[in-house]
Amino acid sequence: NAGVTQTPKFRILKIGQSMTLQCTQDMNHNYMYWYRQDPGMGLKLIYYSVGAGITDKGEVPNGYNVSRSTTEDFPLRLELAAPSQTSVYFCASSDRGGTPQHFGDGTRLSIL
Amino acid sequence: DAKTTQPNSMESNEEEPVHLPCNHSTISGTDYIHWYRQLPSQGPEYVIHGLTSNVNNRMASLAIAEDRKSSTLILHRATLRDAAVYYCILRDRNYGQNFVFGPGTRLSVLP
Repeated sequence: NAGVTQTPKFRILKIGQSMTLQCTQDMNHNYMYWYRQDPGMGLKLIYYSVGAGITDKGEVPNGYNVSRSTTEDFPLRLELAAPSQTSVYFCASSDRGGTPQHFGDGTRLSIL
Repeated sequence: DAKTTQPNSMESNEEEPVHLPCNHSTISGTDYIHWYRQLPSQGPEYVIHGLTSNVNNRMASLAIAEDRKSSTLILHRATLRDAAVYYCILRDRNYGQNFVFGPGTRLSVLP
């Protein structure tokens, strides 16, 4: 089973560039999440979605945008990349809000 | 959101039991206690969760204090593969979207 798949695994961006981090899950989960993890820190929630067409902000949404047109996909868009967005990004999904989350392996993003 | 407090790091010898503590003195009646772990260069992995009663699964056991202000994750026989950062998280049963990950406990397992 694939579970939660994130692409790309690594990326280097220049300041001011834009990119989309892809996330797809094959478990038919309603809930999907984007987190970022800075070195030596815990994860912080950027955005989440409770179903197709519904998204909401998490703790650190500034500088990011999301969309959820299908149950399977939840892309994260970075506009005008800044060095402060250098981090590891994790996508996760869960069946419902209180059930265990399944995480992808992450995207390591460096902005220079 | 209710917060949790965990030791920064712990050490264990291989094949010995490990007790990872977590304090959550401001827990509410609808908060579930979740444990995740994160192996190096991987995403977090679900370990176990519970509300009031002790819980067991193939990975670990979760012991919850009677007043629910603390809990302990128990790994019965630590292996080298259990070396990871362990996160104790409270998640509201009704509004469970927002997971708050603290810095966790870094567990080292010595051969």
